[in-house]
Amino acid sequence: EVQLVESGGNLVQPGGSLRLSCAASGFTFSSFWMSWVRQAPGRGLEWVAKMNQDGSHITYVDSVEGRFTISRDNAKNSVYLQMNSLRAEDTAVYYCGVAIGDYFSSWGQGTLVTVSS
Amino acid sequence: EVVLTQSPATLSLSPGERATLSCRASQSLSGYLAWYQHKPGQGPRLLVFGVSNRATGIPARFSGSGSETDFTLTITSLEPEDFAVYYCHQRFNWPWTFGQGTKVEIK
Repeated sequence: EVQLVESGGNLVQPGGSLRLSCAASGFTFSSFWMSWVRQAPGRGLEWVAKMNQDGSHITYVDSVEGRFTISRDNAKNSVYLQMNSLRAEDTAVYYCGVAIGDYFSSWGQGTLVTVSS
Repeated sequence: EVVLTQSPATLSLSPGERATLSCRASQSLSGYLAWYQHKPGQGPRLLVFGVSNRATGIPARFSGSGSETDFTLTITSLEPEDFAVYYCHQRFNWPWTFGQGTKVEIK
C-alpha cells in the first residue's frame, strides 16, 4: 500500500525558514515523480512544485520560485520542501504526492505551515 | 495560466441522488483533465484522469466526460461517503492548476 507521511510543519515568523519532509513507502520511490501541493485556509488547492525521478527536471509555481526548493533522497525514500523567506500567504496545509502513472494518484494527509508574527 | 472554472460552487443533494459537476477551461486541454475528491484531514483522492478514465479502486458510480474546454464529473447515485469537495485539475500547461472546487453537501 502506498503511504506518504508529511512532517515538519510549524508556526514560523515572516521571513523565516522551514523544511518539510515526506517519507514514502509501499512503492519503488526512485521510479516516480514527486510533488507538493498546498491548500491555504478557506481556499482551493495550488500546485507548488514537482520533480522527476533523479531531480533533473524541477518546476515551481511562480509565487514560490526562488524561495522554495524541492529535493529528494532516493536512498531514504523521502522528498523535501525547503521553504525560505516565508510570507503570510504561504500559510497552508502542504501535501506531498506521487505520480504512479501520468497523474499524481496518491497523497499524504498533509502538514500545516503557519506564517505569522 | 489555464483557468478552470467549476460550477456550481455548492451542490445540495440527498444520498441516492445524481450529482453533475462541471468544469470549464480557459483553453483546450487536449484531454489532460482529472478530477479529485478532497475531504477534511485527508489528501486529495484521484477519481478520474484523462477526462474519462477511472483511477484504480474508484467505484463505477463515478464517471468523467467532456472534451476541449468543457468537462463533467457525474456521480450516478450518491453514497454517504461521497459528500466532499471535488476539484478538476489540468496538467496540459505549467503551472498545473485546479478549479476552485465544488462542495457536494447533504441536503
